[in-house]
This record gives sequence, C-alpha cells and structure tokens, in this order.
Amino acid sequence: AQSVTQLDSHVSVSEGTPVLLRCNYSSSYSPSLFWYVQHPNKGLQLLLKYTSAATLVKGINGFEAEFKKSETSFHLTKPSAHMSDAAEYFCVVSEPNRDDKIIFGKGTRLHILP
Amino acid sequence: NAGVTQTPKFRVLKTGQSMTLLCAQDMNHEYMYWYRQDPGMGLRLIHYSVGEGTTAKGEVPDGYNVSRLKKQNFLLGLESAAPSQTSVYFCASSRGGNTEAFFGQGTRLTVV
Repeated sequence: AQSVTQLDSHVSVSEGTPVLLRCNYSSSYSPSLFWYVQHPNKGLQLLLKYTSAATLVKGINGFEAEFKKSETSFHLTKPSAHMSDAAEYFCVVSEPNRDDKIIFGKGTRLHILP
Repeated sequence: NAGVTQTPKFRVLKTGQSMTLLCAQDMNHEYMYWYRQDPGMGLRLIHYSVGEGTTAKGEVPDGYNVSRLKKQNFLLGLESAAPSQTSVYFCASSRGGNTEAFFGQGTRLTVV
C-alpha cells in the first residue's frame, strides 16, 4: 500500500530565507504526488502536483517540488519565505488506476520568524 | 460555484448517539472521500467511493458507515458515537486518476 512520511513535524525559518519541507513516499507503482496547504482554521488548498511529466513541478505562491524516484522523495521548497506562508503542509500520494486511495502524510507545520 | 459542501459545520453528540454527515459536490466528480483530521495525525482516510453505488474502506473505517446512493452525495454515518470520534471531518471529491481533489470546509464533531 502507498504511504508518505513527512520527516519534520515542525519547521521554523526566518522571513526571507529558504523553505525546505521534506517528504518521502512509498509506492509499488507509478504514483501521483501532491502538496496541499492548510492555513489555520481553513480548508485545504492544492499547492502543486506531480503526475509523471516533468520531475520539477512549480506550484502557486512560489513553491516548487522535485520528484526523485531514486530517493523516493518529493521535497517542497521556496526560495524566500513570507509571513503568509505560515501554515500546515501535507504531502499526499495516490496510485491512479490502482485503488485510487488518496493518502496524506502527518503534516509539517511551518513557522515563519520575523 | 459551491464546489464541495459539508453539513453540518459543527455538532456536539452524546456518547451512543447516532448522526449522519452529508457531503455534496456539484462538479460531477466520480470519486469522493471522507477523512478525519486529528492533531499530529494528518488526514486519515475513513471510506471512499469510486462511483455511484460503490464504497470502499480506507485507513480507519471502524465505527463508520457510508453510502453513495447519488453521484453528487456521499454520506458518513456514526451509528453509536464514541469520544474517540471527536475530530474534524473533511469530505473531498475528484475526477479520479491523477487529478486534484477538492475539499469541503470541514465538520467539527465533538462527542461527550
């Protein structure tokens, strides 16, 4: 069965510095991978997705992620953090045309220091 | 432009009571999902459906039942609520395959 592991439950960065949120996945097939963001007391919004096209995926608000099959990783990055980026981020995996479950990681809470 | 709508938004139940959460989507999506979100646990899949009349178990199905009698609706039932079912519940829908899932705003359920 597919799964994801988010390696950090909390990450703190200063405003204007780079952001790195780490995600490793496990899948026996060709997975689709997603990053979602949840702002406090809000719903979930898609940041970006990987679906077997380009391995470097660009998303909204300056975020991007790189799919590395050899490392089974899909880390999320942003060159310069903004205060509005403070939120919880979820790495998500699915196996299209297999069981179609959408499985979430446990989340990484990103704190932005002024 | 409703997207995915969950009702109710808040509910307090006594232990042993039953209730049904309704999820409605207006995007003609085949796939629908129910999750629960607990602190430090992310979203865990309870049940899902790949089309009208179908349901399947997710990661944490015990204590819950679902039905998908109409394509646009996905109901989550708690037959006998327990305090361990206190959580925020999210519904989602998608076209399936490798497409994006769209989420409702959540239902905060407290079982006392």
